[in-house]
Amino acid sequence: ILNVEQSPQSLHVQEGDSTNFTCSFPSSNFYALHWYRWETAKSPEALFVMTLNGDEKKKGRISATLNTKEGYSYLYIKGSQPEDSATYLCASDSGTYKYIFGTGTRLKVLA
Amino acid sequence: NAGVTQTPKFQVLKTGQSMTLQCAQDMNHNSMYWYRQDPGMGLRLIYYSASEGTTDKGEVPNGYNVSRLNKREFSLRLESAAPSQTSVYFCASRWDRAGEQYFGPGTRLTVT
Repeated sequence: ILNVEQSPQSLHVQEGDSTNFTCSFPSSNFYALHWYRWETAKSPEALFVMTLNGDEKKKGRISATLNTKEGYSYLYIKGSQPEDSATYLCASDSGTYKYIFGTGTRLKVLA
Repeated sequence: NAGVTQTPKFQVLKTGQSMTLQCAQDMNHNSMYWYRQDPGMGLRLIYYSASEGTTDKGEVPNGYNVSRLNKREFSLRLESAAPSQTSVYFCASRWDRAGEQYFGPGTRLTVT
């Protein structure tokens, strides 16, 4: 994989549902994987920076895992709330100053 | 701390006009970045500056120039705007080549 791919592109879930998204990234020249949360009309905000294979990070109801050998990361949201509605971006970082961003997963949580 | 600030927030240009987008950060970060965001395309890197006095091309540099004026400020110039440059422009900074990036609020540019 040369690009960063995220799936699904968008999804709608009901309040209280748990959900997860996937980020696939180049496993060669890996330095770090970043997750950002991007609300409409705002700017992206960092959620997690992950560097080690097998890493798992958690912030409240949101968690992420990392597999650097196969080049994927999962983001999980437990018990989705309307305020979780946003676009979730991942970015592959090779440690060369430049990120490669995915196109994001647009999440809409319905009350 | 204001973080990363950008001016202007909105701008409308006619084809062929020029303008400079300003970005400043007060976090003492070494590296700074300019991205454009287009529907379905995600964030694409235009130019970046690893440190004061250096700049490098990103993925989509054509039609743009940049200046790293000092450690705080990184400007993006459109010399002759084209409709294809209609986009939302984000400036970002981070401490060095590792770690998270901090983004400004964006500039929405329309070229008619």
